[in-house]
Amino acid sequence: EAGVAQSPRYKIIEKRQSVAFWCNPISGHATLYWYQQILGQGPKLLIQFQNNGVVDDSQLPKDRFSAERLKGVDSTLKIQPAKLEDSAVYLCASSLSADTQYFGPGTRLTVL
Amino acid sequence: DQQVKQNSPSLSVQEGRISILNCDYTNSMFDYFLWYKKYPAEGPTFLISISSIKDKNEDGRFTVFLNKSAKHLSLHIVPSQPGDSAVYFCAASEGGYQKVTFGTGTKLQVIP
Repeated sequence: EAGVAQSPRYKIIEKRQSVAFWCNPISGHATLYWYQQILGQGPKLLIQFQNNGVVDDSQLPKDRFSAERLKGVDSTLKIQPAKLEDSAVYLCASSLSADTQYFGPGTRLTVL
Repeated sequence: DQQVKQNSPSLSVQEGRISILNCDYTNSMFDYFLWYKKYPAEGPTFLISISSIKDKNEDGRFTVFLNKSAKHLSLHIVPSQPGDSAVYFCAASEGGYQKVTFGTGTKLQVIP
């Protein structure tokens, strides 16, 4: 069974630029999560989708971050414009419903 | 406000001995607790979980203990193996697996 796929694996941008991350969850998994993991901290949930609907986006900085999950499968997370403090690993995870989450390898973002 | 705390950033243990990783939480509404393991450049992988109605759950070499009155849980690995060297995240959620809150992680090194 293929795992959660994410791309790109690494991204370096300058502040005020825009960036987008892509996630393809495990086939059949209805729930998809985006996490931000800053160096030295644990993953922090940014947004949770159930199929293509948003379940929780209370910790998503909506002035600069946006996410969508078209057709209830793939998802993209966008940052526009990026700030220095957005440097982190962005993790995507999926689960069948509300059970064990399976994580992708993450995208390491560096904002200069 | 860090609701899930892992106060030991790192731990070194000899191969074959017991590893004990600790975790404290402050939110009394948490009713499900999980441990994830993370290798470098990979996403976290689920290791073991425990419901608040239990005080112990065992899976092979891994055992999680929960002390609700002290708001404390621990992960025991016995015997420890070099392949166990990784960062271990404690996590907790309300209402089952919904909105998981992660701790900051403990880096375990098992010395051959």
